[in-house]
Amino acid sequence: DTEVTQTPKHLVMGMTNKKSLKCEQHMGHRAMYWYKQKAKKPPELMFVYSYEKLSINESVPSRFSPECPNSSLLNLHLHALQPEDSALYLCASSRFDGDYGYTFGSGTRLTVV
Amino acid sequence: GENVEQHPSTLSVQEGDSAVIKCTYSDSASNYFPWYKQELGKGPQLIIDIRSNVGEKKDQRIAVTLNKTAKHFSLHITETQPEDSAVYFCAASKAGSARQLTFGSGTQLTVLP
Repeated sequence: DTEVTQTPKHLVMGMTNKKSLKCEQHMGHRAMYWYKQKAKKPPELMFVYSYEKLSINESVPSRFSPECPNSSLLNLHLHALQPEDSALYLCASSRFDGDYGYTFGSGTRLTVV
Repeated sequence: GENVEQHPSTLSVQEGDSAVIKCTYSDSASNYFPWYKQELGKGPQLIIDIRSNVGEKKDQRIAVTLNKTAKHFSLHITETQPEDSAVYFCAASKAGSARQLTFGSGTQLTVLP
């Protein structure tokens, strides 16, 4: 298995809703990442998990809450989002933090209404 | 911090022609330069990468060149096909520092049949 799987593929949520994005990989990678990508822009790093511990938070607002329950799974919990948070949320993994190659998932297209 | 500039932002070529995308970086300590292809509705896919101890790398129709002195690197696609149409991102990073993966702004490549 050489994939990073993200669910759901699409999500529409209201500003008062709570939802979660899920990311899974079975490549034995010990670093996992959340990126945010706006239309026609490059991905922007949000969080880095290394060996299931949060190692980098790029000053992301607290309405985004990451969680890494185990080495294969990464969640992003969403609460009280704003319309400007609408974007493609990408998960990626690598063998370790600082490894040369990343594998990206296909992303979750999030729309906040 | 690192700054990566990418040109052109859009590129249209006839099927069978070659396409060249250029990137420059600012931090001379960067030593890893991946290229990602992102198709509509998908996550970025690593297509080729080069490390700073190598000047050129080729994989079938795709090649990347690196000029460390000038701090620029380029993606070359030969014999382009319609399925090459996508957004291409260059990136630069320092080994051992995932946080330092800095993306260029992207190039929308369109291959006209």
